[in-house]
Amino acid sequence: AQSVTQLGSHVSVSEGALVLLRCNYSSSVPPYLFWYVQYPNQGLQLLLKYTSAATLVKGINGFEAEFKKSETSFHLTKPSAHMSDAAEYFCAVSASGRNKLIFGTGTLLAVQP
Amino acid sequence: DSGVTQTPKHLITATGQRVTLRCSPRSGDLSVYWYQQSLDQGLQFLIQYYNGEERAKGNILERFSAQQFPDLHSELNLSSLELGDSALYFCASSVGGLAGGSETQYFGPGTRLLVL
Repeated sequence: AQSVTQLGSHVSVSEGALVLLRCNYSSSVPPYLFWYVQYPNQGLQLLLKYTSAATLVKGINGFEAEFKKSETSFHLTKPSAHMSDAAEYFCAVSASGRNKLIFGTGTLLAVQP
Repeated sequence: DSGVTQTPKHLITATGQRVTLRCSPRSGDLSVYWYQQSLDQGLQFLIQYYNGEERAKGNILERFSAQQFPDLHSELNLSSLELGDSALYFCASSVGGLAGGSETQYFGPGTRLLVL
């Protein structure tokens, strides 16, 4: 069975500070990992995904994530937070041959001026 | 804009009723997925259709059913509605969806269902 755990349901950072959103996964087979962002009253938008190519994945809006197999982690980072980054972020996992996404519980990011 | 459209945006109905949610995938996408987002269950996969055929099933209740039509749009039917069915229902689409797992799923804006 596959699962993801997002540590911290709420994260607050100051504008310009580092953003770090944590995601740990559990999978018996090599996983595909995704980060999605959900702005208020909108659908989910893909930020980035890991598909077993490079372990450091760069996404949109300056976000990146590093796949660490030894730590079963796929944390999302951004060097400098903007007010527009305030949203809910979801980590998700799928496996080869299985197209359903299994989502974490989400992390609500607040950016303080 | 993901290119996935969902109607209606909002739906208010009473317990025991039946509703139909509609989804049009991105042009060229063959797979459609349905997800439910609720406060207590989070985001949960319900069902996937590929080119008109059911492909994968998740935590979908027997009171819920879906189908994908020849023009690739999909409908999710919810019947005998209960208060606990109140949620945001998302549709997503991807290009293929047969044996991937790595494909990007593009999400629509969702239909917010409120059961009173």
